[in-house]
Amino acid sequence: DGGITQSPKYLFRKEGQNVTLSCEQNLNHDAMYWYRQDPGQGLRLIYYSQIVNDFQKGDIAEGYSVSREKKESFPLTVTSAQKNPTAFYLCASSIGGQGQNIQYFGAGTRLSVL
Amino acid sequence: KQEVTQIPAALSVPEGENLVLNCSFTDSAIYNLQWFRQDPGKGLTSLLLIQSSQREQTSGRLNASLDKSSGRSTLYIAASQPGDSATYLCAASDYKLSFGAGTTVTVRA
Repeated sequence: DGGITQSPKYLFRKEGQNVTLSCEQNLNHDAMYWYRQDPGQGLRLIYYSQIVNDFQKGDIAEGYSVSREKKESFPLTVTSAQKNPTAFYLCASSIGGQGQNIQYFGAGTRLSVL
Repeated sequence: KQEVTQIPAALSVPEGENLVLNCSFTDSAIYNLQWFRQDPGKGLTSLLLIQSSQREQTSGRLNASLDKSSGRSTLYIAASQPGDSATYLCAASDYKLSFGAGTTVTVRA
């Protein structure tokens, strides 16, 4: 089955800890994205990558970091600099071009602070 | 900066009634307008994508219209069913997707 896999489904972060959220796709898509969703708000773009070894900041990149070493994988690290990390995190991919194609989403990771 | 608004935030209808969901956006220079469905605690599922050159797009019971000049899109769901209960989000696409906060729909059996 082709799709996007996010893991873990639930994640807890201690004060001062960095945590990494996994996102893997087998759709052979070039572009991948990370969004944050807070209750009652639309999705906000954290980072995006249009090709391997290249990525750009989105609207709320502070306190987050990413890497794109393989086409299939786009992990997101929530660093200790992110003071309000509790949210639902969604990964997406598309064939190419950030706005011109349908984006396909994973099932999400819910991050909470202990 | 693109701003996307969805009103109402929540909607409850009896089964069989037609649903009308509204989406407005501030910048008409878009590639397309996309509608998604989100079930509680889940990711988003793409429903329809309307290109900027199109006026509407249809898939089964779903029909979406686009009026770029007025900055509006409407999603129509015919003959609603309890399985249509979900949150529906629209997103305006220029160089990136800008999402509305969504309309949460409850269809009562």
